[in-house]
Amino acid sequence: KQEVTQIPAALSVPEGENLVLNCSFTDSAIYNLQWFRQDPGKGLTSLLLIQSSQREQTSGRLNASLDKSSGRSTLYIAASQPGDSATYLCAVRTGNQFYFGTGTSLTVIP
Amino acid sequence: GAVVSQHPSWVICKSGTSVKIECRSLDFQATTMFWYRQFPKQSLMLMATSNEGSKATYEQGVEKDKFLINHASLTLSTLTVTSAHPEDSSFYICSALINEQYFGPGTRLTVT
Repeated sequence: KQEVTQIPAALSVPEGENLVLNCSFTDSAIYNLQWFRQDPGKGLTSLLLIQSSQREQTSGRLNASLDKSSGRSTLYIAASQPGDSATYLCAVRTGNQFYFGTGTSLTVIP
Repeated sequence: GAVVSQHPSWVICKSGTSVKIECRSLDFQATTMFWYRQFPKQSLMLMATSNEGSKATYEQGVEKDKFLINHASLTLSTLTVTSAHPEDSSFYICSALINEQYFGPGTRLTVT
């Protein structure tokens, strides 16, 4: 069974810093990998979707990379802002099965 | 982008009663919807996969007679928590699948 792990579990950084969130998965036979953002008490907002054939995707200050062979993905956030504070979840898809990581709680300090 | 709504956004009910949560895809049709449960500061736990026109597929350990799922149309799936117990208090999130998952805003259920 696919297992998805995110490190670190929590991260606190000063505003303006660049940061990297990590996601690892045990089975490399994935269809795609998706990064989400979740604000407290809210649903999930999709940030980036990387297909298994892709290496990275970019949206604004966000860049996500995928290395299927090593079972890793990273989410890079440039010039962090207090509004980026949230929990970030990665999810891998195998067929119609989705496996979520445990999340990284990010706090950006003004 | 694709929008998924949930109703209600929060509900408080008494033990022993039943609660229905609706999940709607507003601007698209979805053959497949998912229901998740999330405990505080934890990740999402998939409860079941809801397929339009057929029975839902439940994950191991999820009681299908307690968590009734109906996907009667391509834009609506419902989750009914029957004989609610305080242990059922949680945050319930649905998603609809078209190429990728689009999530609803969640429903906070509190059973007293």
